[in-house]
Amino acid sequence: GAVVSQHPSRVICKSGTSVKIECRSLDFQATTMFWYRQFPKQSLMLMATSNEGSKATYEQGVEKDKFLINHASLTLSTLTVTSAHPEDSSFYICSATDRVGNTIYFGEGSWLTVV
Amino acid sequence: GENVEQHPSTLSVQEGDSAVIKCTYSDSASNYFPWYKQELGKGPQLIIDIRSNVGEKKDQRIAVTLNKTAKHFSLHITETQPEDSAVYFCAASKGNSKLTFGKGITLSVRP
Repeated sequence: GAVVSQHPSRVICKSGTSVKIECRSLDFQATTMFWYRQFPKQSLMLMATSNEGSKATYEQGVEKDKFLINHASLTLSTLTVTSAHPEDSSFYICSATDRVGNTIYFGEGSWLTVV
Repeated sequence: GENVEQHPSTLSVQEGDSAVIKCTYSDSASNYFPWYKQELGKGPQLIIDIRSNVGEKKDQRIAVTLNKTAKHFSLHITETQPEDSAVYFCAASKGNSKLTFGKGITLSVRP
């Protein structure tokens, strides 16, 4: 099946710094990528939808200036958590769908810990 | 918008038995229903999906059934094994638009 890769899988950063998470589609062109956040023992919460070459669409309550999303190519989307705080610590997951839009595949997720 | 309900939140079965997980959805326009398995600390893994033009789909020990009239769909796992223990999420969407997830169910398979 299609593969979506996230990097890094785990990251620890200091409060006030920014951290970037990459999401890559390895064997297909991802026209649309989605970013989720997941708290322990909870479901996935959609943060934003990004289409290649255009601005991301953020869900209500998600700060677009804090969670910067870039989808510059058909195989790469990035999520940058700016001025991170401990409450931003979470499991961040991306997913991607191809041009046909038949199936949505998820990455392995990235654990962010802000200390 | 779409609302996906998943009940119960936990399910425990004996190894070798079958497990059935049910979900309901609210938007009759939804036409894509995937099921994901998530192991601790990992991203969701697509295990099976079904589209609204079929009523059932099977892949080895896993099957999914869809009742469009009642707006519910179910995941069936036969001959369960301990490695089937995980959190299972159902979801619904219209085409390739954003998925709406259920809250997840923790399946425990007792050896």
